[in-house]
Amino acid sequence: DVKVTQSSRYLVKRTGEKVFLECVQDMDHENMFWYRQDPGLGLRLIYFSYDVKMKEKGDIPEGYSVSREKKERFSLILESASTNQTSMYLCASSLDRAEQFFGPGTRLTVL
Amino acid sequence: GQQLNQSPQSMFIQEGEDVSMNCTSSSIFNTWLWYKQDPGEGPVLLIALYKAGELTSNGRLTAQFGITRKDSFLNISASIPSDVGIYFCAGPPLIQGAQKLVFGQGTRLTINP
Repeated sequence: DVKVTQSSRYLVKRTGEKVFLECVQDMDHENMFWYRQDPGLGLRLIYFSYDVKMKEKGDIPEGYSVSREKKERFSLILESASTNQTSMYLCASSLDRAEQFFGPGTRLTVL
Repeated sequence: GQQLNQSPQSMFIQEGEDVSMNCTSSSIFNTWLWYKQDPGEGPVLLIALYKAGELTSNGRLTAQFGITRKDSFLNISASIPSDVGIYFCAGPPLIQGAQKLVFGQGTRLTINP
């Protein structure tokens, strides 16, 4: 079974803090994705990566950056957290087909 | 970004009833995916469909890839309490490339005791 893990299930941070969300997959998948999920807005793609050190902007990249130094790990960085970044963050990975496998999510609250 | 039109938005049913939901798009898809999300968890892939007209089952779940390639359907037979959750359709429209997905807004399923 594909396993995608996220470093924290719940996180509380203060406005202005730098926040790191880590995602690790154990199936040697090429592609990794970061989404945020908000009530009424559905799943929105923040960034994705097709390979190590490669990244592409999704639909809502503003206020975020990413890092992929190793194939199995994809990090989402909030350089200066703001209250409107309070959300559920979901990481996913895929091989060479469309199926994406999701992690359990990190519920981030920015105070 | 583009989204899929998923309906109904919510369903309130009695245990044991069958459930049907669907997803439509103005764009052609070459793959349709159905996910289920429990509260506070990430979506879990239920069924993947690859060919127009394809009908695939996973236990009590059956999904179909529409002939026009612009729609898909998910049916759940004889619902049980653990079926409660939000069901999402998703797919990579041809115009976007194979790896990015667009998602429906979800169907929230509630089962009355």
